[in-house]
Amino acid sequence: SYVVTQPPSVSVAPGQTATITCGGDNIGPKSVRWYQLKPGQAPVLVVYDGGAPPSGMSERFSGSNSGDTATLTITRVEAGDEADYCCQVWDDDNDRVLFGGGTKLTVL
Amino acid sequence: QVQLQESGPGLVKTSETLSLTCTVSGGSIGYYYWSWLRQPPGKPLECLGYIYNNGGIKRKYDPSLQSRVTISLDAPGNQFSLRLTSVTAADTAVYYCARGHALDVFDSWGQGTLVTVSS
Repeated sequence: SYVVTQPPSVSVAPGQTATITCGGDNIGPKSVRWYQLKPGQAPVLVVYDGGAPPSGMSERFSGSNSGDTATLTITRVEAGDEADYCCQVWDDDNDRVLFGGGTKLTVL
Repeated sequence: QVQLQESGPGLVKTSETLSLTCTVSGGSIGYYYWSWLRQPPGKPLECLGYIYNNGGIKRKYDPSLQSRVTISLDAPGNQFSLRLTSVTAADTAVYYCARGHALDVFDSWGQGTLVTVSS
């Protein structure tokens, strides 16, 4: 079955750019969503279709995918961006939604 | 802006039925996909299934849970619910309800509720 893989953690200094990857076999043609998860809070969709953030979400968040890797990019990182970030795709083989294991973003 | 809130017992006994309700406020419950998801400790999120009302009710469940899951809709009450039967410790998780305008996008979520399964 299809598998998506994320690094467990990424660290970045405030003001810098964070990149979080989501690996999967030929993930390039797939629609990849990205969610921000913080403890005790509702998860937030940060990247939707075409790599763009949904309406109302900061344009510091963007996504891209090509080949076997999808990437979430967060520019001008702020302390408030510290969270877990999960990628999500549609698993055609099993006809279901599939999430990555999540990457913890630490703002130094 | 739509808001979702999960409610239900935080502790369920092994082999019994887990029941949760999601109350939707600030928006209509029609013409969206209404889903239940969960995240077991240390594991990825997983989607249990969704219900969709576009004049007729459509449901879809995760294949691995299909025999144990039921999602229902109470449109007048602006609520939808989850029933998961024959629970085991593996069903211990934070459970979320969510809304989507497509079956594979979750654009609004509740803040989640921890359900522990124990004997």
